[in-house]
Amino acid sequence: EIVMTQSPATLSVSPGERATLSCRASQSVSSNLAWYQQKPGQAPRLLIYGASTRATGIPARFSGSGSGTEFTLTISSLQSEDFAVYYCQQYNNWPRRGFGQGTKLEIK
Amino acid sequence: QVQLVESGGGLVKPGGSLRLSCAASGFTFSDYYMSWIRQAPGKGLEWVSYISSSGSTIYYADSVKGRFTISRDNAKNSLYLQMNSLRAEDTAVYYCAREAAARSYFQHWGQGTLVTVSS
Repeated sequence: EIVMTQSPATLSVSPGERATLSCRASQSVSSNLAWYQQKPGQAPRLLIYGASTRATGIPARFSGSGSGTEFTLTISSLQSEDFAVYYCQQYNNWPRRGFGQGTKLEIK
Repeated sequence: QVQLVESGGGLVKPGGSLRLSCAASGFTFSDYYMSWIRQAPGKGLEWVSYISSSGSTIYYADSVKGRFTISRDNAKNSLYLQMNSLRAEDTAVYYCAREAAARSYFQHWGQGTLVTVSS
């Protein structure tokens, strides 16, 4: 089983600043990594797939990078609507695709 | 646009059963692989079960194997999850999700339905 570990658990950032979220896999997942955003009371929404490809309708301020075991989600200039919980998920070890435990992005 | 609407959640006693449904619209349901994913209160996401577009290939997480059964009716554009022998640890919001492609990520999610297992 591939274990996904996200850091930090909580990130406090001011609006307009850059946020950098990390995700580490216990073994290589190649570029088979997705990022999701979840707001309170809502379903997760796909942001990034293939480690770096933005999903349809996702603003350009969201970017993903990395491969193998180390991945990063960067939000270049935080908007009020970006404060949420973010999950990474590997789909290299299929079908048992694991999620990270999440990073809560909160307003500083 | 793609819509996935879950239903069937509720309060059930330990050892009981429940059947969840997911009504799909806005796309050709029979072309897509589907999964159920759950989220315990205040916790992270856990993949539960997968079914191929034809229904011929099915997988389960170890935590539900032997107790849950996934199925689909392509004529009714619907996905199902039959949950038996429910435990307190099955308490969660259950989401149905459409996969982007084979061996892939979850492209679209429903709004979820809450299952509470408690005496």
